[in-house]
Formats: sequence, C-alpha cells, structure tokens
Amino acid sequence: KNEVEQSPQNLTAQEGEFITINCSYSVGISALHWLQQHPGGGIVSLFMLSSGKKKHGRLIATINIQEKHSSLHITASHPRDSAVYICAVPDNQAGTALIFGKGTTLSVSS
Amino acid sequence: DGGITQSPKYLFRKEGQNVTLSCEQNLNHDAMYWYRQDPGQGLRLIYYSQIVNDFQKGDIAEGYSVSREKKESFPLTVTSAQKNPTAFYLCASSIGPSNQPQHFGDGTRLSIL
Repeated sequence: KNEVEQSPQNLTAQEGEFITINCSYSVGISALHWLQQHPGGGIVSLFMLSSGKKKHGRLIATINIQEKHSSLHITASHPRDSAVYICAVPDNQAGTALIFGKGTTLSVSS
Repeated sequence: DGGITQSPKYLFRKEGQNVTLSCEQNLNHDAMYWYRQDPGQGLRLIYYSQIVNDFQKGDIAEGYSVSREKKESFPLTVTSAQKNPTAFYLCASSIGPSNQPQHFGDGTRLSIL
C-alpha cells in the first residue's frame, strides 16, 4: 500500500512570503491530488496532476514521477491562505479512493 | 449549485447507541466514499461505493455499516461496536471509475456523551 509523507508538518510565514510544501509517496501512481482543508473542516480540491506543473492563481503544483515527489508552492502568501494542505494519491487496492498525507498546517500572519 | 450535503454538522452518541450520518450528492457521481479524520492523522477510508447497490470495506470498516440504495445517497451508520467513534467524518464523491477529483462535504463531528 502506498505511503504518503508530507513536510513540513507545520509552517508559519509572513504575508508575502513564498511557501513550499512537499509530498513524497512510495509506490508509482497515475495522479496526485492537492487538497485544502479550511478551519471549519471542509475540504476543496486544488489540483490533480499526473506530470509536470499546474498553476491556478498564486498556487503552483509540480510533480516528478520518477522521484515520486510533488511540491505545492504559494507565491505572495496571504493570511487567507492559512489552512491545512493535504496531499493524496490513489489507493490502488480500493477502487478510486485516496490515501492521504497527514497534512501541513500553514499559518500566514500579516 | 451541485455539491455534497452532510448532516448533521455535530452529533452526539450515547453508549450503546447506533447513529447514522447522512451524505447526499447532486453531482450525478457514481463513486462515493466515507473517510474518518482524527487529530494528527490523515484521512482514513471507512467504506466506498463505486456504483449503486454495491459497496466495499475500506481500511477501518469495523463498527461501521453503509448502504447505497440510491445514486445520490450514501449514509454511514456508526454502530455500538465502534468503541472509539469520536472523530470528524467526511463524505466524498467522484465521477469514477478512473481517477478524478473528489468533491467533499463539510463533514460531521461525532462525539460521545
């Protein structure tokens, strides 16, 4: 079964800083998901990517399939970016369910 | 707007009681999932359903039961056999069967009285 590791576990930043969150996994995958969990608990999907890079606004996600590693970058961070960021990969033993990392808690202060 | 509705937002269970968490989606998704989240841990799969009238156990199915009688509904029952039910429960759905983004509900927080 795939194992997903995220780092760092916690991250504090000043407004405007460039943020990087890392994710590594142990078994080859077809796609990787980045999710954002708000303080109230709701989760939204940010990216699903299988190769290269994707960009949405100030968020950029990259993946290196050979190295089994992905990064989520936030440019010009803002207090509203404060949330838990979660990396997830397909659970090949459970249909299209996902295996999740423990998450990275980001706090951005103004 | 399409989405996933979980209810209730907060739920309290007494000892020996079964409780049912509701999950409804109007996204016309075939696949639905139940995950459990505990502090400091990643979400873990309880049950999943790829199609109506079919569901499979996930990694932590003991003490839980589900049904999938309608495409839009996937209720989760936490039985008295689940000795540590206090957690945050998230329902999700996806188009399926191939890898697609999952859409999540806002979750139900279950506590023991």
